Amino acid sequence: NAGVTQTPKFQVLKTGQSMTLQCAQDMNHNSMYWYRQDPGMGLRLIYYSASEGTTDKGEVPNGYNVSRLNKREFSLRLESAAPSQTSVYFCASSPWVQETQYFGPGTRLLVL
Amino acid sequence: AQKVTQAQTEISVVEKEDVTLDCVYETRDTTYYLFWYKQPPSGELVFLIRRNSFDEQNEISGRYSWNFQKSTSSFNFTITASQVVDSAVYFCALSERSYGGSQGNLIFGKGTKLSVKP
Repeated sequence: NAGVTQTPKFQVLKTGQSMTLQCAQDMNHNSMYWYRQDPGMGLRLIYYSASEGTTDKGEVPNGYNVSRLNKREFSLRLESAAPSQTSVYFCASSPWVQETQYFGPGTRLLVL
Repeated sequence: AQKVTQAQTEISVVEKEDVTLDCVYETRDTTYYLFWYKQPPSGELVFLIRRNSFDEQNEISGRYSWNFQKSTSSFNFTITASQVVDSAVYFCALSERSYGGSQGNLIFGKGTKLSVKP
């Protein structure tokens, strides 16, 4: 079991470029999440998917879109990257909402 | 509104000392869950414990123990006989049902950075 995997591990973008962060889990979990972590801010929820076919905004959704491709995969897209989106992005999954979330290794994104 | 406060930004101890990390939360709900996660220098987030609001029993797991007190809205974490490998950032988190909002999402505190020196 790989758990939660994320690609890429590290990415540098120029302002205005777009990219998609990929996340997959092999634990047959129903719920998946995207967080960003900034220094001194803890983790903040961007979007989540309570179950396949649903997505909802979290605390900081502006500038992002998500796709729940299937039960295993949940991608995060930056349409036009901004320096304020420089952060570490974590994907997580849980059996259902309110159950323990398990995190991927993170993607470090630098927007110049 | 739901909120998690970890007032200790950084703590430094010498190996074998006991250390307690504080966590205070705010919630309107009677049904909620509390969590602790560890983030070592390598960056991954490691789940440590989940506790529901109806279970106030203290929990002990090896050198780790947790003290949940609803009366003071606190869920503190103690490491006994700390080791260098305990050096990490520790996050406390809250999950509740929101009224008209996101259900079950984690609200994280800002974390406490623990440094254990040999």
